[in-house]
Amino acid sequence: EAGVAQSPRYKIIEKRQSVAFWCNPISGHATLYWYQQILGQGPKLLIQFQNNGVVDDSQLPKDRFSAERLKGVDSTLKIQPAKLEDSAVYLCASSFAAGGQGEQFFGPGTRLTVL
Amino acid sequence: KNEVEQSPQNLTAQEGEFITINCSYSVGISALHWLQQHPGGGIVSLFMLSSGKKKHGRLIATINIQEKHSSLHITASHPRDSAVYICAVPGYNNNDMRFGAGTRLTVKP
Repeated sequence: EAGVAQSPRYKIIEKRQSVAFWCNPISGHATLYWYQQILGQGPKLLIQFQNNGVVDDSQLPKDRFSAERLKGVDSTLKIQPAKLEDSAVYLCASSFAAGGQGEQFFGPGTRLTVL
Repeated sequence: KNEVEQSPQNLTAQEGEFITINCSYSVGISALHWLQQHPGGGIVSLFMLSSGKKKHGRLIATINIQEKHSSLHITASHPRDSAVYICAVPGYNNNDMRFGAGTRLTVKP
C-alpha cells in the first residue's frame, strides 16, 4: 500500500515570497490533515479536511495561509507571503476514520526555510 | 498548561539499556497514540492504545486511563532507535490530535 506522498521535500524561499505544498493521501482515506512542526516542538494542526470539506481550520493563519482539497483527494497548502517564523516542517497526514480515534498516517513532510 | 506533557525532553542511553518515556495528559480520551519521528522528518505510528498494554517487538506501550498517564518502553535499545518519540491524544472535539513536544532519544553504541 502506498503511503502519504508529499512534495517538495525541501524548499528555501525568501520572506514575502509565496510557496505551495502538495499532498496525496492514502487511497480511500477521507480525512486529511496539515500540520506545522517548528523545530523542537510537536506538530500543530493547521487544517483538517473530511473529503473536500473543512472540519477544523481554527489554527490556520488565514491572512497568509490557505489550503484546498477540491476533489476530496489531493490537497495543497499555500503560504502567501511567507514570514521568517513560517520556517518549519509541514506534515500531511491522512486517516480512514474521522476524528482523533483513527490512526493517522504521515507523509515525509516538507521542510521549509524562509530566509 | 499543555494538554500533553512528555518527559524527559532529551534522553541519552547506551546500547542495550532499557528506555522509558512518559506521557501525561489532561483531557479525557478514548485512545492515545505513540509516534516515532526520525531526523528526516517522517512520522510513523507505533501504537494506538486505549487500555492496558501493547507490545511490538522491543517496544512496549502501557496506559493508565484513571491516572491519565502512558509510558513507552524500549528493551535492549539500539542506535537505530534514536529518534524523537511523540505522544498524542485526541483533542477536545475529537476531531484532531494534540501532540506532546516529543522526547529526543539518542542511543550510543
